[in-house]
Order: sequence, then C-alpha cells, then structure tokens
Amino acid sequence: AQSVTQPDIHITVSEGASLELRCNYSYGATPYLFWYVQSPGQGLQLLLKYFSGDTLVQGIKGFEAEFKRSQSSFNLRKPSVHWSDAAEYFCAVALYSGAGSYQLTFGKGTKLSVIP
Amino acid sequence: DTGVSQDPRHKITKRGQNVTFRCDPISEHNRLYWYRQTLGQGPEFLTYFQNEAQLEKSRLLSDRFSAERPKGSFSTLEIQRTEQGDSAMYLCASSLWTGSNQPQHFGDGTRLSIL
Repeated sequence: AQSVTQPDIHITVSEGASLELRCNYSYGATPYLFWYVQSPGQGLQLLLKYFSGDTLVQGIKGFEAEFKRSQSSFNLRKPSVHWSDAAEYFCAVALYSGAGSYQLTFGKGTKLSVIP
Repeated sequence: DTGVSQDPRHKITKRGQNVTFRCDPISEHNRLYWYRQTLGQGPEFLTYFQNEAQLEKSRLLSDRFSAERPKGSFSTLEIQRTEQGDSAMYLCASSLWTGSNQPQHFGDGTRLSIL
C-alpha cells in the first residue's frame, strides 16, 4: 500500500539555524508531492509542490524541497529558521485513485519548535 | 481570493446527536474534498466531489456520514448519531480540475468534540 513516512515526530531548532524535515514515500511511480504547514487550530497551508521537472522546488516563506527518486524522498529545507516557522509540517503525496481524483495521502507530521 | 471557508469552527455536542458542517470552496474550484484529522495524525481522505457529483468515498465514511454538494458550490457533511470516535478536525479542501492535477487548498476546519 502507498504510504508517506515522516520519521521525526518533533524537531527543535534555534532561531537562525538551518532546518531539514524528512519525508519518504512508498509508491511504484513518481507521485505528485507536497508540503503543507499547519498552525495550531488552523487548516493547512500549501508550502510547495513537485509535479515534474526540476527536482529542487522553491516554495513560500523561504522553504525549498528536493525530490530524490533513488531515495523516494522529498525533504523540506530552510537555511535560516524564524520563530514564526514553529508549526506542524505535513508531507503529502497525490495518488491517482482510479475514480478520477488525486487523493492526498499525508504523513503523520513533524512538529517544529523554535528556540529564541 | 476569499479562500476556503468552513462553518462552524468548533462544534460541541452530546453523543447520539446529529451534526452538520458547511464548506464554501474557492469560487472557481470545481473539486471539493473532505478530510478528517485526529490528534497527532495527518488528515485522512473521506470523500470528494466534482461539481455536484460525489465521485469517491473512503471506507472511513461509515453509513452515519453523508455529504452533499447540491449546486456544485458549497458542500455539507452530516454525521448522524455521533459517537466518541467522531471527535476530530474535519477539513475541507478545493481545487480546480482542468484535465491535470492542481494543488488542493484547505479551509481552517471544523473541530468536533463529542461529550
């Protein structure tokens, strides 16, 4: 079965430090890949997406992600974290369901805490 | 761009009661999705509509759940005879289908608490 794994449940970084959040997927073909961010009590905001082409994609708020086919990974990075980046981050894949839709399958999320 | 709107934001009800949530998608979006998110988990797909047609339902969507999108615009999700296990955040998302996949945009969700 298709799955998305985010190995780190909780990560704490200092403000200004670099960040990398890991995401691995299990799927026979290259899926559509996404990163979303969720603040407490809020919905999900799209950070970036990968559909095809350049494997390094840029998103909002200074985030980027790199698709590595050989590792089935789509890790999220940011060179310098700001206190406002503290939130929960979800990696997701969109898989064709066979009924015309691309359902999103999410990982369990990584909670990011930022130390001032 | 008004975004995806969900109402209410919070709902507290007693077990056994019926509840209904509303979602207003981004106006030009023809696809609408419902997801459920429990504590410590990522969202899980429930069902989706293209215009007014409900094209897919997850096995998570028991017979007590029903969703409608009567005019292809807003959608409602009803839960009958609520149970403790229904406590969750219910998220709505919309996207524009033009023959290729486009990102889904989410609302802020409705948090349901069953007493």
